[in-house]
Amino acid sequence: EPEVTQTPSHQVTQMGQEVILRCVPISNHLYFYWYRQILGQKVEFLVSFYNNEISEKSEIFDDQFSVERPDGSNFTLKIRSTKLEDSAMYFCASSQTGLGYEQYFGPGTRLTVT
Amino acid sequence: RKEVEQDPGPFNVPEGATVAFNCTYSNSASQSFFWYRQDCRKEPKLLMSVYSSGNEDGRFTAQLNRASQYISLLIRDSKLSDSATYLCVVNPLGNQGGKLIFGQGTELSVKP
Repeated sequence: EPEVTQTPSHQVTQMGQEVILRCVPISNHLYFYWYRQILGQKVEFLVSFYNNEISEKSEIFDDQFSVERPDGSNFTLKIRSTKLEDSAMYFCASSQTGLGYEQYFGPGTRLTVT
Repeated sequence: RKEVEQDPGPFNVPEGATVAFNCTYSNSASQSFFWYRQDCRKEPKLLMSVYSSGNEDGRFTAQLNRASQYISLLIRDSKLSDSATYLCVVNPLGNQGGKLIFGQGTELSVKP
């Protein structure tokens, strides 16, 4: 069964550093998303992406965040200057039939900012 | 009012029990609805979409009441493997945005 994959599984970085989280969505999916989950809290939407454009973004997704589809398979989330409060699990998701339809999540990248 | 609100849990039930989860959502214009399950520190996994007419998948039955802005999930004949956190999820804009709004989740523990 096709799966969303994410690398790395765990990233430790110092405050102020840039990080890039990588995702490979399911191959025939066209819609891509990033979510995050701070430990003990609910899953929160960051951004949706389709046709090389951001479709929607949350208040969390400020100028420090960016997304890119650099090639036909990868989807990345960049955090330019990490803060302590960026420490969370970051999940990538993808969907096939449209922005409002079932989304399938990757295993996540645990980001720890020290 | 929270955008998506669920029973706080945890629910502790014996194997074979029937358990019901409830959820309410605040945006009456919400378009699509889902139940996901999440095992400890893992990704949310789609359990089922929820349709207006109600739908069933094996031991799982989901119901939607748009007038009351209420969603439910019924699990019959609980198995040990059903132990997880169950997440009520709403898409408020349908195909206009793709944002999923998650509830806090209800933890289920099925005991032998």
